Amino acid sequence: AQSVTQLDSQVPVFEEAPVELRCNYSSSVSVYLFWYVQYPNQGLQLLLKYLSGSTLVKGINGFEAEFNKSQTSFHLRKPSVHISDTAEYFCAVSRGAGGYQKVTFGIGTKLQVIP
Amino acid sequence: EPEVTQTPSHQVTQMGQEVILRCVPISNHLYFYWYRQILGQKVEFLVSFYNNEISEKSEIFDDQFSVERPDGSNFTLKIRSTKLEDSAMYFCASSADQDYGYTFGSGTRLTVV
Repeated sequence: AQSVTQLDSQVPVFEEAPVELRCNYSSSVSVYLFWYVQYPNQGLQLLLKYLSGSTLVKGINGFEAEFNKSQTSFHLRKPSVHISDTAEYFCAVSRGAGGYQKVTFGIGTKLQVIP
Repeated sequence: EPEVTQTPSHQVTQMGQEVILRCVPISNHLYFYWYRQILGQKVEFLVSFYNNEISEKSEIFDDQFSVERPDGSNFTLKIRSTKLEDSAMYFCASSADQDYGYTFGSGTRLTVV
């Protein structure tokens, strides 16, 4: 079985400051890792994903994440946040290659950008 | 960019009524999923569907739930007799076979009153 732990339920940060949202996972097999963003009253949007290859993954809106196998982590970072980044961020994990991929989500981290 | 389309965006129904949530997956995708998110809680897997049958379902997906792909484009989730605790955001998703691609729809907010 696979699971995801998001250590922070809420993260307040001032505009233009850097931010890191933490995610740890557990799985007995190789995994794919994802970060999704959910803006208020909207659906889930894929920010970035790690499937294989380079451990530093760049996504949309200036976000990036680093896969660390030894620490089983996939933390999300942005060097300078904007008010529009205020949203809930979900870390997620799946296993399997191609085709069928059941995704397990973390509980989410609410990012609050303060003007 | 191909999209997964869900309708309606918001549905209010009375307890005990049947409700059907509709989804149009991406056209060349073969695997289809429903997830739900109760307000303030994590996104939970409900069911996956492939080759016209359920491939996996969670313990949430009991006899009150069913899924169907009635034609070549739609994928539906039916709740036979809704309960208050079924109130949630329901997300449809689809994925491809040869290439990894997992896309969520924007969700249907179901409110049971």
